[in-house]
Amino acid sequence: GAGVSQTPSNKVTEKGKYVELRCDPISGHTALYWYRQSLGQGPEFLIYFQGTGAADDSGLPNDRFFAVRPEGSVSTLKIQRTERGDSAVYLCASSPRDGYGYTFGSGTRLTVV
Amino acid sequence: AQSVTQPDIHITVSEGASLELRCNYSYGATPYLFWYVQSPGQGLQLLLKYFSGDTLVQGIKGFEAEFKRSQSSFNLRKPSVHWSDAAEYFCAVVGYNNNDMRFGAGTRLTVKP
Repeated sequence: GAGVSQTPSNKVTEKGKYVELRCDPISGHTALYWYRQSLGQGPEFLIYFQGTGAADDSGLPNDRFFAVRPEGSVSTLKIQRTERGDSAVYLCASSPRDGYGYTFGSGTRLTVV
Repeated sequence: AQSVTQPDIHITVSEGASLELRCNYSYGATPYLFWYVQSPGQGLQLLLKYFSGDTLVQGIKGFEAEFKRSQSSFNLRKPSVHWSDAAEYFCAVVGYNNNDMRFGAGTRLTVKP
């Protein structure tokens, strides 16, 4: 597509449940990034993919968070046993391999109740 | 690792007045620098970026930024602010040898009529 698509745009879940957030990057972009933005904060880096592999997952806060990109295109961020503190906007971005033309999606607003 | 500081949490300017938003970075070499704007409920939109060359960078919507190596700064400017410029502004940095973009905490801009 023309831009980075994230679904769902909003997700409300109960504490302890499992959620999946999807990111569909710009076609041909090999790099994909996940960020988390809490209210009143700047985006916080979570994980970066180059192709299918996670090149840097140092930003994942704990082992409840996991992300995959099995075919080098769509990525899914998975959160197990959600906690209220996980409530935030989760942003995805993609860029071409040879440039830093990051394009961000509109984000998924996750609310854990 | 690289980091970004935006000293001003909130700035208010009158419509038509000039604007300068401050950004200081920390990185051992010349980084790649960015300014993004985020309107309420919206995704991040790239205003401008600096990779190398001319230290004065022109962006969209009449914004410009100047890279000053000696001050480790990349301040954003606009000569005449419009009411539609009210938003949150984020400065970001990417290190030369890595791909994870680090953001500042943001500066919220309010425009008075």
